Amino acid sequence: DQQVKQNSPSLSVQEGRISILNCDYTNSMFDYFLWYKKYPAEGPTFLISISSIKDKNEDGRFTVFLNKSAKHLSLHIVPSQPGDSAVYFCAAFSGNTGKLIFGQGTTLQVKP
Amino acid sequence: GAGVSQSPSNKVTEKGKDVELRCDPISGHTALYWYRQRLGQGLEFLIYFQGNSAPDKSGLPSDRFSAERTGESVSTLTIQRTQQEDSAVYLCASSLGGQGVNGNTIYFGEGSWLTVV
Repeated sequence: DQQVKQNSPSLSVQEGRISILNCDYTNSMFDYFLWYKKYPAEGPTFLISISSIKDKNEDGRFTVFLNKSAKHLSLHIVPSQPGDSAVYFCAAFSGNTGKLIFGQGTTLQVKP
Repeated sequence: GAGVSQSPSNKVTEKGKDVELRCDPISGHTALYWYRQRLGQGLEFLIYFQGNSAPDKSGLPSDRFSAERTGESVSTLTIQRTQQEDSAVYLCASSLGGQGVNGNTIYFGEGSWLTVV
């Protein structure tokens, strides 16, 4: 039972354009949603999060949107840079269980 | 060190042998997580420790997998009678607390890369 899904395994974007990474979830009890970025041979690093009571959170070039009714969130990166090329994981956190459940990841490639 | 430390960073073992992976969380972090990432796949939850509560073992894939944590410090993940399908990177993470944390205090280690031949 995949509670957090990232249906696009890969995404390729031109430098300077917008990257949009999508994530869907099934459990309406999640309290926070997070995005992590992972380079090869490194652990994931936290990027940005959003509380379930909000619909948008912005941090520099990164914006996360949450649509609770659709159980969908997305990460927007604008403008995209070649250094953004990495695997991006969506994750959902439940305060009740303390669990952080990850999606399968989306590999973003930003072409110069 | 300031971050989550895992050892060994790389381990090659023969099928059927037991392996033990270690995680040193950030000092003071009460919550500790183990995840696994197999090649080409996403992060798979294995087990979660929170303070003195009983660990959540719901993600352990089989009874060959076990994990322990001493108080709020070091954790070891043990895989008995390893199989080739166990080849993966095993990631440990820690956070200040499981309840109510906003998520951005969950820190990951670099991972232990396990190859079963």
